[in-house]
Amino acid sequence: SQKIEQNSEALNIQEGKTATLTCNYTNYSPAYLQWYRQDPGRGPVFLLLIRENEKEKRKERLKVTFDTTLKQSLFHITASQPADSATYLCAGGLTGGGNKLTFGTGTQLKVEL
Amino acid sequence: GAGVSQSPSNKVTEKGKDVELRCDPISGHTALYWYRQSLGQGLEFLIYFQGNSAPDKSGLPSDRFSAERTGGSVSTLTIQRTQQEDSAVYLCASSLGQPGRNSPLHFGNGTRLTVT
Repeated sequence: SQKIEQNSEALNIQEGKTATLTCNYTNYSPAYLQWYRQDPGRGPVFLLLIRENEKEKRKERLKVTFDTTLKQSLFHITASQPADSATYLCAGGLTGGGNKLTFGTGTQLKVEL
Repeated sequence: GAGVSQSPSNKVTEKGKDVELRCDPISGHTALYWYRQSLGQGLEFLIYFQGNSAPDKSGLPSDRFSAERTGGSVSTLTIQRTQQEDSAVYLCASSLGQPGRNSPLHFGNGTRLTVT
């Protein structure tokens, strides 16, 4: 079955460094990937969307890549801040799928002072 | 404007009882989704509405689960004869639902269901 895989181990980094989170997909080819942020006790909040024909997308301190050869997306937060600490979810969707998304389990990021 | 609203925020019920979870989407959003999130698990798709119709209900785990949407707005997820394995956070999301536009999902904060 189609699967989105994210590193389940928490990522701890120092303030000011760049955080890089990985998302791999198997058994299907998503037409697009979306990244969400989730804080404890809250619903996910949309951050970025990237389509399969796009290599890279940027928004402020965020950057996401989509490599259809490696079947992987990388999500980068530059100049990270403690306020960036959260769980980040990767989700894939198919064209014509009614925007039904397959989510990964998320990677918890902790930015330390 | 208000975001997606879900109620109740917490629900504790005894095994075997029925529960109803409510979702008020963002006004004007035609698409509505229900997901389930268990501890350590990713969001699990349950059902998707476009207007009042459910083109995809493939994620409903069993016939104890059902959902409806009325007036193209409010949706209710009903779980009959609850089991302990139904314990999870039930998340609702809505989107503009424009075909091919891959509109982002706007999530509510979920209903945490605990079946004792």
